[in-house]
Amino acid sequence: AQKITQTQPGMFVQEKEAVTLDCTYDTSDQSYGLFWYKQPSSGEMIFLIYQGSYDEQNATEGRYSLNFQKARKSANLVISASQLGDSAMYFCAMREPLGGSQGNLIFGKGTKLSVKP
Amino acid sequence: DGGITQSPKYLFRKEGQNVTLSCEQNLNHDAMYWYRQDPGQGLRLIYYSQIVNDFQKGDIAEGYSVSREKKESFPLTVTSAQKNPTAFYLCASSISLAGGSSYNEQFFGPGTRLTVL
Repeated sequence: AQKITQTQPGMFVQEKEAVTLDCTYDTSDQSYGLFWYKQPSSGEMIFLIYQGSYDEQNATEGRYSLNFQKARKSANLVISASQLGDSAMYFCAMREPLGGSQGNLIFGKGTKLSVKP
Repeated sequence: DGGITQSPKYLFRKEGQNVTLSCEQNLNHDAMYWYRQDPGQGLRLIYYSQIVNDFQKGDIAEGYSVSREKKESFPLTVTSAQKNPTAFYLCASSISLAGGSSYNEQFFGPGTRLTVL
């Protein structure tokens, strides 16, 4: 069964507007971590933001924030004031705790974001 | 500057050939990973290593081999047994997680694009 689901293969947003990229996850563990990465056309994966399962507040990093709804098992990425340089693939990933595949991330299939001028 | 380097950036392989992809990091990270990415897909784990001289298979290890003789280096060999090796390969590293939390930011290299002729 898929552990990370990103239901939006592609998204468009107008420059300077906010956009939400969806991510739902599936785990029976109480301790886990959620990550968002950006992949521009160059291919490199750029870490954006992290949310721990025990963190009470939603994570924020500059224009990025994570809308964490634990009961719904969702970890949506919100990008405020979109810029043309935000056009890229965005991947949601989950790290399950030690005991299984230690330290490994499970990735969703990604959402391609296109920012329109 | 600290980071991860991968070489070559582009690699072409003839059918039946083994090829080796290089991955070097100077971040002093204990853990290293290899991922495969197919067009329009997320990353899938091939192999990972938590410590020198030890490595574990990931989800799609068949047709691949690795070594970890030095902390800084984690080369991946794509063997002739890998029937569909054309893909984008990403190497990553992270701090060892022995006794750690679920936080585990992985730092990625720029990737190698492998094409079978």
